[in-house]
Amino acid sequence: AQKVTQAQTEISVVEKEDVTLDCVYETRDTTYYLFWYKQPPSGELVFLIRRNSFDEQNEISGRYSWNFQKSTSSFNFTITASQVVDSAVYFCALGETSGSRLTFGEGTQLTVNP
Amino acid sequence: DGGITQSPKYLFRKEGQNVTLSCEQNLNHDAMYWYRQDPGQGLRLIYYSQIVNDFQKGDIAEGYSVSREKKESFPLTVTSAQKNPTAFYLCASSFYRGATEAFFGQGTRLTVV
Repeated sequence: AQKVTQAQTEISVVEKEDVTLDCVYETRDTTYYLFWYKQPPSGELVFLIRRNSFDEQNEISGRYSWNFQKSTSSFNFTITASQVVDSAVYFCALGETSGSRLTFGEGTQLTVNP
Repeated sequence: DGGITQSPKYLFRKEGQNVTLSCEQNLNHDAMYWYRQDPGQGLRLIYYSQIVNDFQKGDIAEGYSVSREKKESFPLTVTSAQKNPTAFYLCASSFYRGATEAFFGQGTRLTVV
């Protein structure tokens, strides 16, 4: 069975601080995909990144960066110099390669205060 | 513009009634999904469909039904058998293979009154 754990239920930071959101996953598949989504107050989930299990390179996109470590089954997400607009719920998800189902973590509510 | 449209945005249901939530996509995606989100919780999969005229139960299918008669449409019916239907419902779609990213609609907030 697949499982995603986001141990941080809520995080509160002050603007311009860096913040890391943790994600730990469990799967028996040798090939899989990992995702991060952002859910702003409007409710719609916004896709941020997709990572193949064969690709352990870290990725940076502007203020966002992701650290994938297969050895610890983790796929952590860092926001550098956080902004108020980053306030949202962030979900980590695990995808199977045999189909298209995603298993989501419970999400981390990030609040960035001015 | 391409995307996923859910309607209505807010829905109120009396106990004992069935209600249907609409989900339409024009992304030419093969697969469509319904998720339920409760406050402070993650998304739980209700039903999904990978091709037209076929669908599978997700993790919490009891009290729900779906149909997939057209590629573009995947309506969800919340039946009176669903004991606690008040929740936020999200529809998504994706290509079938390769675990491509799913695109989500804006959600329907269902409240039982």
